[in-house]
Amino acid sequence: AQKITQTQPGMFVQEKEAVTLDCTYDTSDPSYGLFWYKQPSSGEMIFLIYQGSYDQQNATEGRYSLNFQKARKSANLVISASQLGDSAMYFCAMREGRGNTPLVFGKGTRLSVIA
Amino acid sequence: EPEVTQTPSHQVTQMGQEVILRCVPISNHLYFYWYRQILGQKVEFLVSFYNNEISEKSEIFDDQFSVERPDGSNFTLKIRSTKLEDSAMYFCASSRQNRAGDEQYFGPGTRLTVT
Repeated sequence: AQKITQTQPGMFVQEKEAVTLDCTYDTSDPSYGLFWYKQPSSGEMIFLIYQGSYDQQNATEGRYSLNFQKARKSANLVISASQLGDSAMYFCAMREGRGNTPLVFGKGTRLSVIA
Repeated sequence: EPEVTQTPSHQVTQMGQEVILRCVPISNHLYFYWYRQILGQKVEFLVSFYNNEISEKSEIFDDQFSVERPDGSNFTLKIRSTKLEDSAMYFCASSRQNRAGDEQYFGPGTRLTVT
């Protein structure tokens, strides 16, 4: 079974508008971390935002916020005031447990920002 | 800001040849990882390394793969006899600690092309 599901292969958004990228996850471990990474066409992986399973508040980092709905096992990324430079692949990832576990990634969503 | 570096940025090799991909993690980090991303697909975990030992490895990381930290700064991934299906982007990552919430800092990747 997929641990991380990103159901939107591609999304379009108008410049300056907000966009939500969906991510659902599957784990039975009560302790986990959720991450979003941006991958521009140049290929590098850029960390955007982190949400811990015990965090009471939704994470925010500048124009990025994470809509964390624990009961629904969703961790959607919200990008406000989209910019042309936001066009990229976006990956949701999860680490389970407290020990040495790897990041498990979703298949990604390609975001295109239109002027 | 410290960053993970990887060399070369692009490696072309013939099937059956050995390749060594090099990474310099962030200097005060203790945990090291290799991931790969086949073109157009999701990022997949290969191996994690701590205290000069492999901590965890995936099914992908078979006997053709090995990792080494030959000195205090480099972290290498060796593929003994490359196959066409090894063509991918290989990412090195490092983290200071290994709790679920600790960010893994990714390098820019090495694009391996096996012909």
